[in-house]
Amino acid sequence: EVQLVETGGDLIQPGGSLRVSCAASGFSVSSNYMSWVRQAPGKGLEWVSVIYSDGRTYYADSVKGRFTISRDNSKNTLYLQMNSLRADDTAVYYCARPVRGNDSSGYRYYYYMDVWGKGTTVTVSS
Amino acid sequence: QPVLTQSSSASASPGSSVKLTCTLSSGHSDYIIAWHQQQPGKAPRYLMTLESSGSYNKGSGVPDRFSGSSSGADRYLTISNLQSEDAADYYCDTWDSNTYWVFGGGTKLTVL
Repeated sequence: EVQLVETGGDLIQPGGSLRVSCAASGFSVSSNYMSWVRQAPGKGLEWVSVIYSDGRTYYADSVKGRFTISRDNSKNTLYLQMNSLRADDTAVYYCARPVRGNDSSGYRYYYYMDVWGKGTTVTVSS
Repeated sequence: QPVLTQSSSASASPGSSVKLTCTLSSGHSDYIIAWHQQQPGKAPRYLMTLESSGSYNKGSGVPDRFSGSSSGADRYLTISNLQSEDAADYYCDTWDSNTYWVFGGGTKLTVL
């Protein structure tokens, strides 16, 4: 069974650092794109970061320069290192697996999140 | 970059049908979107991808009551024979090679 389990969420003071983890089972994180999506209390979903199977990484402007996505292939685990945390980083952090699809013509491709973890809560407050 | 617009709320009675809308911004009407369901206190769940042609592909285990359709820049999620467990927030999203994933604001569906 394909599954994602996030851990590591905590209450952290503004300006602090935290690393959250996402353990995958049923598939290999190294062979797939992997992503982080967050949801602030009472708000919608916001894409945070992605790591490609070739190791390239990309970030939303709101976290660029502060967050780092990485993976440990031997542990089949995805990470998000969060530094210089702010109150507006308070959210449930979900890891998700983007997979590639092709449209019905076969010419156009796209990526969509087909598996989601249950999330881990990060609260930034003094 | 694409922007997705969703109505903030919708409601319908058990056993009836409801059609939720996700509208793509100008210049992006041919984009493919995905629909996700988030029941109260739970993680999002992938429902389907939906093309501008109206062709859709559902995720594993998604009931037949869920279907998709399209018209121009609008992408629809129709839920037939509404059940109490369909009460949830529904999000659409789209991918772009420059901006990656963009989510709509979500629609809160109440089953009266």
